Amino acid sequence: GAGVSQSPRYKVAKRGQDVALRCDPISGHVSLFWYQQALGQGPEFLTYFQNEAQLDKSGLPSDRFFAERPEGSVSTLKIQRTQQEDSAVYLCASSSFRRSRNTEAFFGQGTRLTVV
Amino acid sequence: GQQLNQSPQSMFIQEGEDVSMNCTSSSIFNTWLWYKQDPGEGPVLLIALYKAGELTSNGRLTAQFGITRKDSFLNISASIPSDVGIYFCAGPGTASKLTFGTGTRLQVTL
Repeated sequence: GAGVSQSPRYKVAKRGQDVALRCDPISGHVSLFWYQQALGQGPEFLTYFQNEAQLDKSGLPSDRFFAERPEGSVSTLKIQRTQQEDSAVYLCASSSFRRSRNTEAFFGQGTRLTVV
Repeated sequence: GQQLNQSPQSMFIQEGEDVSMNCTSSSIFNTWLWYKQDPGEGPVLLIALYKAGELTSNGRLTAQFGITRKDSFLNISASIPSDVGIYFCAGPGTASKLTFGTGTRLQVTL
């Protein structure tokens, strides 16, 4: 498809379980971002990739969160030993890198994670 | 950290009415972005502003980049039911990440 694709759309995990969320960016987009959106809040930045390089991971809330983009295309956000506070919508976005317009990104539909 | 406050938090308007919402920041931004988010979907970029004082339109939407660079406004003219959703302002904290506002929830009644 033409847009950013995320899977699964919904994930229910038991507390302590590991989860992996996938993002397929728009073809050719150099930049990829992950955001976390809690219920009733705006999205909050987690991490940023330029091609396969993770250039900013300052938003990852703990070392249980890990993201990778090994071939500069598809990205996976992994959360280990999930906790209830991890319940949120995880949004992926991509953009074609242009200086000063890098954050003009296209978002996917998100993965809603519920930890029970 | 940077904070973006949006007002109003929510609004109920009648179809055909004009809508105004704004966003203020505790620090200066060089870019302002306005997004709309429908339930169960990701945010969709509506308008991007790059210069202080800039006024940009996209159909019935008009946005302005405040002169102080600490605020921005979004206006929707002649609202229709599909304008329902949450509107977020956002600014780049760095070249790699956006800071989003608190959101304005818009409800349109017939």
